[in-house]
Amino acid sequence: GQNIDQPTEMTATEGAIVQINCTYQTSGFNGLFWYQQHAGEAPTFLSYNVLDGLEEKGRFSSFLSRSKGYSYLLLKELQMKDSASYLCAVRDSNYQLIWGAGTKLIIKP
Amino acid sequence: TAGITQAPTSQILAAGRSMTLRCTQDMRHNAMYWYRQDLGLGLRLIHYSNTAGTTGKGEVPDGYSVSRANTDDFPLTLASAVPSQTSVYFCASSDSTEADTQYFGPGTRLTVL
Repeated sequence: GQNIDQPTEMTATEGAIVQINCTYQTSGFNGLFWYQQHAGEAPTFLSYNVLDGLEEKGRFSSFLSRSKGYSYLLLKELQMKDSASYLCAVRDSNYQLIWGAGTKLIIKP
Repeated sequence: TAGITQAPTSQILAAGRSMTLRCTQDMRHNAMYWYRQDLGLGLRLIHYSNTAGTTGKGEVPDGYSVSRANTDDFPLTLASAVPSQTSVYFCASSDSTEADTQYFGPGTRLTVL
């Protein structure tokens, strides 16, 4: 079966750095996505990795290791508005997205 | 641009009744998708459409049907609702199945009693 694992919940302090991990086992791999979802809202795109390595976009970075079936999302200089769920999704061999259950990130002042 | 719109925002429905959730996009995207999101679970694909005139089944298609008469609209119909269909439903689109990012509508919160 196909499986995406990420922690259910994490807590971090405003101004700090947090790393959210995602491990996956899927039938094929055609890219990994990270989305942000605020409570009661739609998911919004954050990042996309298809090759190994780090992709940096402002305060957010995403890393991929295809050989390990592993990715992480790194959030720097945390702000209160970063409190949200972060969803990891892998595009499989059929080009369909397989989604993790999401990591709820709580930012404390 | 509006992007993707969904209607209604929320609905309470009696079991056994039918309902159509509407989804319209103005980005001229070829591909469209319907997901449901339930607490503790990842988004699950119900149905998808790679292009106007074609549809396909996702992970959880039972009890749902879709049509894609044109590029912009992708309605989802529940023929006879059951309580297990209580969920938040998201419509999404992308400019092709092989490329890019999926963009999501605001969602419809459906409660079946």
